[in-house]
Amino acid sequence: DQQVKQNSPSLSVQEGRISILNCDYTNSMFDYFLWYKKYPAEGPTFLISISSIKDKNEDGRFTVFLNKSAKHLSLHIVPSQPGDSAVYFCAASASYGNQFYFGTGTSLTVIP
Amino acid sequence: GAGVSQSPSNKVTEKGKDVELRCDPISGHTALYWYRQSLGQGLEFLIYFQGNSAPDKSGLPSDRFSAERTGGSVSTLTIQRTQQEDSAVYLCASSRLAGRGYTDTQYFGPGTRLTVL
Repeated sequence: DQQVKQNSPSLSVQEGRISILNCDYTNSMFDYFLWYKKYPAEGPTFLISISSIKDKNEDGRFTVFLNKSAKHLSLHIVPSQPGDSAVYFCAASASYGNQFYFGTGTSLTVIP
Repeated sequence: GAGVSQSPSNKVTEKGKDVELRCDPISGHTALYWYRQSLGQGLEFLIYFQGNSAPDKSGLPSDRFSAERTGGSVSTLTIQRTQQEDSAVYLCASSRLAGRGYTDTQYFGPGTRLTVL
């Protein structure tokens, strides 16, 4: 039972354009969300997070948007750079527990 | 300081053998997590340690899997009588703090790729 879903396994964008990665979740108790970036043969690295008291969090080129009513979050990368090419995972947690639920990842390719 | 390290980086074993995977978390990190990523799947939670105790073992897929953590630091994930479906990348992560009502950013190791023939 996949509680966090990333329905797009891959995405290609041109350098300089916006990349939008989407994530949906089913558990209304989730209140903390994270995005991780993973290069081949490396562990995931933390990118950005958002708690449910906010609907937007921005860090440089990366912005995460949270729509609680739709149980949907998205990661925007503007402008996209070739070095952003990686697999992006979203993850969710409920503050009552310590388990994080991860999506299956979206492979982003930024074309120079 | 150093990040989370895992060893070995790759492990090939025969079905039925036991394997031990090691994780060295970031010094001072209280919480330690084990995950695995099977081909085409998302990260699957296995077990979580707070200090040396494991309050959440709910993700261990079978009784062939066990884990321990000693001295609040190094953790070992043991898989007994390995099966081909155990083939995956096993990832360890640590975080500074954990507990009810609190979540903290996890820092991941590079993983151990386990192949069971």
